[in-house]
Amino acid sequence: QQQVKQSPQSLIVQKGGISIINCAYENTAFDYFPWYQQFPGKGPALLIAIRPDVSEKKEGRFTISFNKSAKQFSLHIMDSQPGDSATYFCAASKGNFNKFYFGSGTKLNVKP
Amino acid sequence: DAGVTQSPTHLIKTRGQQVTLRCSPISGHKSVSWYQQVLGQGPQFIFQYYEKEERGRGNFPDRFSARQFPNYSSELNVNALLLGDSALYLCASRTDLNNNYGYTFGSGTRLTVV
Repeated sequence: QQQVKQSPQSLIVQKGGISIINCAYENTAFDYFPWYQQFPGKGPALLIAIRPDVSEKKEGRFTISFNKSAKQFSLHIMDSQPGDSATYFCAASKGNFNKFYFGSGTKLNVKP
Repeated sequence: DAGVTQSPTHLIKTRGQQVTLRCSPISGHKSVSWYQQVLGQGPQFIFQYYEKEERGRGNFPDRFSARQFPNYSSELNVNALLLGDSALYLCASRTDLNNNYGYTFGSGTRLTVV
């Protein structure tokens, strides 16, 4: 059973637009929800993360919205730029065990 | 500061062979985790080590094994390679088990089994 489900699989956005990627999780024990950005040939890099005691976290152009009751969280990229073109992964983990469950990824293409 | 270093970057092996992948964590990081990323999918957890002890194991067969050395570097071994083992193998390090924010990935080793 997939613990974290991510959508859409791919996304095309015009420069300056808003990119939105959604994730849903099953396990209510998860208490840490990071988003990773991965460029071709590179490992994932932490972008932004949230814990379930807050509903939103913003860092620059990147915002996580978290809905605990719906068991969903999303990444919003404001003023999307061609340099944001990458694959984005949501993930979840619980407690101190620190095993990360990753979503299947969203390939974002920001058109100039 | 150097990031997480993995070697080799690319590797081609034949079915049935054995492979060893290496990881050097960021200086001061005591925890190392290994993930397998099949093309087009998200990373899947294989192992976690902290202070040379295994602290977690994912749903992988016993052909997969790992260890961590006193300098906190780590090796991942895969025996009796199958075509399905072809993937990007990622190593991630952090300062300690409680520090999620310090989770840094290397660029990975691309393993191709033919």
